[in-house]
Amino acid sequence: KNEVEQSPQNLTAQEGEFITINCSYSVGISALHWLQQHPGGGIVSLFMLSSGKKKHGRLIATINIQEKHSSLHITASHPRDSAVYICAVSIAGGTSYGKLTFGQGTILTVHP
Amino acid sequence: DTAVSQTPKYLVTQMGNDKSIKCEQNLGHDTMYWYKQDSKKFLKIMFSYNNKELIINETVPNRFSPKSPDKAHLNLHINSLELGDSAVYFCASSQVSSPFYNEQFFGPGTRLTVL
Repeated sequence: KNEVEQSPQNLTAQEGEFITINCSYSVGISALHWLQQHPGGGIVSLFMLSSGKKKHGRLIATINIQEKHSSLHITASHPRDSAVYICAVSIAGGTSYGKLTFGQGTILTVHP
Repeated sequence: DTAVSQTPKYLVTQMGNDKSIKCEQNLGHDTMYWYKQDSKKFLKIMFSYNNKELIINETVPNRFSPKSPDKAHLNLHINSLELGDSAVYFCASSQVSSPFYNEQFFGPGTRLTVL
């Protein structure tokens, strides 16, 4: 079993819908990352968080350390949000040097 | 003003050849990484260098040899390429001054196709 599990693996939505992607992890972490990969292939860091909630535009990321769970929300979704969203964790401990362990990714398609 | 750059972007080669991918970051970060993304889009760490020192070497065939001539560069050399090496390889960098906070910046990726 992967140390980082995402759901759903595929998500289709209509423009304007509220979207939630979930991430659960089974290891001690120093931080959780949400990444976005567009069809062109580049990977962009959306959020890095170790507690609470962060918001950037229409994107909101939350984390519950006790439950080892994080969610990424997109409000008022738009076709340009179509991408692969990847949850990743930095494992706690001085020898990890920030290496990321990744979930399988969620393929989001937003139709107009 | 690219923060993390990789060359080449695409690489098509025959089985058995040797090839290199180069990565450079201009962010002043102290740590660089190589990740491999397979055909199912799953990403996995391969190597990491901190201040030119190899610190993470996951279970990767020894045909793969990273080299870091300085903190800003991390290259990946692959010998005797095999079909299974076909993937997208991403370089990334971060500042691991504190082990507990490190946003990573990714390069554009190199799509390697082995025929």
